[in-house]
Amino acid sequence: QTVVTQEPSFSVSPGGTVTLTCGLSSGSVSTSHYPSWYQQTPGQAPRTLIYNTNTRSSGVPDRFSGSILGNKAALTITGAQADDDSDYYCVLFVDGGISVFGGGTKLTVL
Amino acid sequence: QVHLVESGGGVVQPGRSLRLSCAASGFTFSGYGMHWVRQAPGKGLEWVALIWSDGSNKYYADSVKGRFTISRDNSKNTLYLQLNSLRAEDTAVYYCARLGSGWSLDNWGQGTLVTVSS
Repeated sequence: QTVVTQEPSFSVSPGGTVTLTCGLSSGSVSTSHYPSWYQQTPGQAPRTLIYNTNTRSSGVPDRFSGSILGNKAALTITGAQADDDSDYYCVLFVDGGISVFGGGTKLTVL
Repeated sequence: QVHLVESGGGVVQPGRSLRLSCAASGFTFSGYGMHWVRQAPGKGLEWVALIWSDGSNKYYADSVKGRFTISRDNSKNTLYLQLNSLRAEDTAVYYCARLGSGWSLDNWGQGTLVTVSS
C-alpha cells in the first residue's frame, strides 16, 4: 500500500519562506507522479494551488511554487502572509488511475 | 464558472446504503473526468474514486473497493457515488472534484456530510 508522507506541522514567520515536502514511503517522487498541492482552511473545501509539479492554478499568487527537491515534491511559500495559515495537502498519482493524498501539513504563520 | 454541488448526505445506520450526487454546471461536464474525495471529522483528505469523462473507466481506493460505486449521467450533468455496506469509518464529508491536468483535482464542491451511526 502506497503511503504519501508530509510533515505534520510547520511554522513560519510573516514574510518568511517555508518549504513543505511530499514523499513516498518507498521510492522517489518524480514528475511522473504529477504532484499537486491543495490548501484548506477549517470548514472550507480545498483550494487547488499547484498541479503537474509546478503549474500554478488560476488566481494563485506567485509566492506559491512547486518543484521536485531531491526525492520529494515540494511546495515553497515565499513571503508568507497571515492568510497562508492553513492545512496543505499533496496528492500523487501512483498507478492506473489511483491517487493518494498525503496526511497534510498544518502550517502556522506567526 | 465551474460549479459543483454535492447532495444526498445524512445519517445512516451501519450496513445500510446511500447515494450521493454532484450536480455540475459552468463547463462541459461530458468532457471531464470526475473524482470523489472524503474527509473524516478532524482528519485529512482521502481520495476515494475517479471516473473518466465517458464513464468507461473507474478507479477506487482500496478502502472502498467492492462497497462504493462511482457513476455519472452526462445527460443530467450529474456525478454519483453509491455507498453500500456502510461502516462507522465511512463517516466523512464527501467532496466531488473535477479532473484537471495531470490527474489533479482542479475544482471542488463544498461537500456533503455522511454520518454512519446506529
